[in-house]
Amino acid sequence: NAGVTQTPKFQVLKTGQSMTLQCAQDMNHEYMSWYRQDPGMGLRLIHYSVGAGITDQGEVPNGYNVSRSTTEDFPLRLLSAAPSQTSVYFCASSYYGGSTDTQYFGPGTRLTVL
Amino acid sequence: AQTVTQSQPEMSVQEAETVTLSCTYDTSESDYYLFWYKQPPSRQMILVIRQEAYKQQNATENRFSVNFQKAAKSFSLKISDSQLGDAAMYFCAYSGNQFYFGTGTSLTVIP
Repeated sequence: NAGVTQTPKFQVLKTGQSMTLQCAQDMNHEYMSWYRQDPGMGLRLIHYSVGAGITDQGEVPNGYNVSRSTTEDFPLRLLSAAPSQTSVYFCASSYYGGSTDTQYFGPGTRLTVL
Repeated sequence: AQTVTQSQPEMSVQEAETVTLSCTYDTSESDYYLFWYKQPPSRQMILVIRQEAYKQQNATENRFSVNFQKAAKSFSLKISDSQLGDAAMYFCAYSGNQFYFGTGTSLTVIP
């Protein structure tokens, strides 16, 4: 198993550009989520999905869109990048999510918005 | 919303000694899990240990153990016989309806 994979590893954008961060898992996990990690603030939940076709907002959803058309993939879209979105982004997955499961993390994407 | 507090931004320990990292949380939920994750310089998030709130017995994983005090909402991590490879950022996390992470403790291991 490859586990949770994320692409790209690094990305530089200009303000106003759009892009999609890719996340895929091959463990047949139902629950997938996106976090951003900023210095001194730990990880904050952006969006999550409890299964294909179902998504919901986390703690910091503004400026981001997600969709879940398959169990394996959970892309994160930045519609109009802003410098405040400079961060490290982690995708994670678990079998069912909620209060019962350990999350497994991808290697992260470092995004810089100029 | 639930909150997770790690009050020690940085800690250091001598190799082979024991260190305890602190974590407190606030919740009104009765069913939840608590975790400690390790993040080395590689940036990969690695699960260290987890504790089910309904279990009174403290979880242990080799050199890692927790002191879970449910009434006090406290969840500390003890690392025994510290090794150089233990140097990393450690995050406490709460899982109920959503996951919440603390701000992390940077652990330095001194040879």
